[in-house]
Amino acid sequence: DVKVTQSSRYLVKRTGEKVFLECVQDMDHENMFWYRQDPGLGLRLIYFSYDVKMKEKGDIPEGYSVSREKKERFSLILESASTNQTSMYLCASRTPGGNQPQHFGDGTRLSIL
Amino acid sequence: GQQVMQIPQYQHVQEGEDFTTYCNSSTTLSNIQWYKQRPGGHPVFLIQLVKSGEVKKQKRLTFQFGEAKKNSSLHITATQTTDVGTYFCAAPIKAAGNKLTFGGGTRVLVKP
Repeated sequence: DVKVTQSSRYLVKRTGEKVFLECVQDMDHENMFWYRQDPGLGLRLIYFSYDVKMKEKGDIPEGYSVSREKKERFSLILESASTNQTSMYLCASRTPGGNQPQHFGDGTRLSIL
Repeated sequence: GQQVMQIPQYQHVQEGEDFTTYCNSSTTLSNIQWYKQRPGGHPVFLIQLVKSGEVKKQKRLTFQFGEAKKNSSLHITATQTTDVGTYFCAAPIKAAGNKLTFGGGTRVLVKP
């Protein structure tokens, strides 16, 4: 079974802090994704990566950056956290191809105070 | 704007009854996927439909892909409390660079 592990289940940070959310997958998947999930808005794509060192902006990249130095790890960075970034963050991975299912981590519920 | 629309947003169902949730797109889709997210959990892949008019079943769940490949439905018969959760459809959208685009989800609540 694919295992996608997110470093924290719950996280509380302060406005202006630099926040790192980590995601590791164990299935050698090339593609990795970061979403945020808010009530009534579904899943919105922040950034994705097709392979190591590659990154592409999703639908809502403002205020975020990412890092993919190793194939198994995809990090989401909030450069200067703001209260409107309080949300559930979900990481996902898959093998390449539009018809491949995505495997999600358990999510990180991030609160910015 | 949202390219994959799901209706209804909420569905209250009496235990034992049937219900259907719908997924619609203005563009022809190459395939469509369905996911289920239990309360407090993460989305889990259920199934993928590829062919026009395709119908697939998983126990009490029936998934259908429209003839024009622009819509899909999920029908659940004899709803149980274990069906509680949010059901998402998702499809690669050409206008979005073929990235998997998720619908807003249908949140299902079951009344015992």
